[in-house]
Formats: sequence, structure tokens, C-alpha cells
Amino acid sequence: AQSVTQLDSQVPVFEEAPVELRCNYSSSVSVYLFWYVQYPNQGLQLLLKYLSGSTLVKGINGFEAEFNKSQTSFHLRKPSVHISDTAEYFCAVTRIIQGAQKLVFGQGTRLTINP
Amino acid sequence: DTGVSQNPRHKITKRGQNVTFRCDPISEHNRLYWYRQTLGQGPEFLTYFQNEAQLEKSRLLSDRFSAERPKGSFSTLEIQRTEQGDSAMYLCAIAPLYEQYFGPGTRLTVT
Repeated sequence: AQSVTQLDSQVPVFEEAPVELRCNYSSSVSVYLFWYVQYPNQGLQLLLKYLSGSTLVKGINGFEAEFNKSQTSFHLRKPSVHISDTAEYFCAVTRIIQGAQKLVFGQGTRLTINP
Repeated sequence: DTGVSQNPRHKITKRGQNVTFRCDPISEHNRLYWYRQTLGQGPEFLTYFQNEAQLEKSRLLSDRFSAERPKGSFSTLEIQRTEQGDSAMYLCAIAPLYEQYFGPGTRLTVT
């Protein structure tokens, strides 16, 4: 079975500062990795994904993440945050198999941007 | 626009009542998922459809829950005899390839 640990439940950051949201996963098989963002009372929006290839993946809204297989991590970064980045961020993993590729999510990190 | 609509967006019901939620993908997709998200938690998998066939169900899906996807298009999730513990956001997702795209969700409050 897979599991995902998001190491910080809340991250407060000042506007225009850099931010890193940490995600570690465990799995006995190869996986795909994702970051999603959720604004209040909305569904989840896909930020970025790692399927294969380059370990540094770029997503929407200036976010990027780096897949580190040896450390089983997939940390999310942004060099300069904006007030509009205030939201809940979820890391998710799924097995590379046929059929149901259900997502296993972490518990989320609440990113708060202060002016 | 994620290509998935869900109705209703909010539902308040009294304990013991039945409720039904609907998920409508804008275009046809083979794979459709339902998840449940309780306050302060990440979404948890409930069930998966490949076309009209329900191929996997989580143990979270008790016998009070039933999901259907007639003709492999829209899907419905019904909860019978609702309990306060059913209060959550119910999310539907489609998967064109490896990633999943979520609808806005239906927030259920059981009083």
C-alpha cells in the first residue's frame, strides 16, 4: 500500500518570499506523483505531475517540484509567493498499474501568505 | 473549468434521510472516481468506474452507499439512512490519462 506524509500542516510565509512544501511517500512499487491545490469550498486543481523523465517538473502558477527517488520525496517549491497562493495544498501518489489508479493523498498543508 | 460538474453543490439533510449526488463529465471519459473529504483531511478514495462497470470499492463504502454509472456517462452516488458521520465533501474525478481532474464537489451536512 502507498502512503503520503506532508510534513507541515501549516506554513505561513510573507508575500514575495520563497516557499517549500514538503511531501514524502512510501510505496513498494513505482508510482506517479501529483500536487493539487484546493481553494476554500472548491474542488482540487492539478498543479503539476511527475510521471517519468526529468525529476524537476514545472506546473501552473509558477510552482515546481522535484522528485527524489532515493529520499522518496516530492517537495513543492515556488521562488516568490503571492497573496493569491493562499490555499490548501495536497500531495498525492498512485501506483503505476492497469485499472484503478486511485489517488492516495496526504493530509494537506495550509499555505498562508501574509502581506 | 475541469470538465466535471457536480450537483448539488451543497446539501443539508436530516439524519436518516436518503441523499443522491450527481457527477457529469463534460465529455466522455472511461474512468471515473468518487472520493470523500472530511474537514481538515485529504480526499479518500471511495469507488472507481471503468465505463459503466464499478470495478473497485473502498471499505469506506458501507452498504448504505451505492454508486452507479449507467451508460458510462454521468454517475450518481446515493447514501441511504444518512448519519452525522457522513458529513463531508464528496468529490468526483475523471481520468483522461494518468492524472485526475476533479469537479467542485458536493458538500453534505447531516444534522
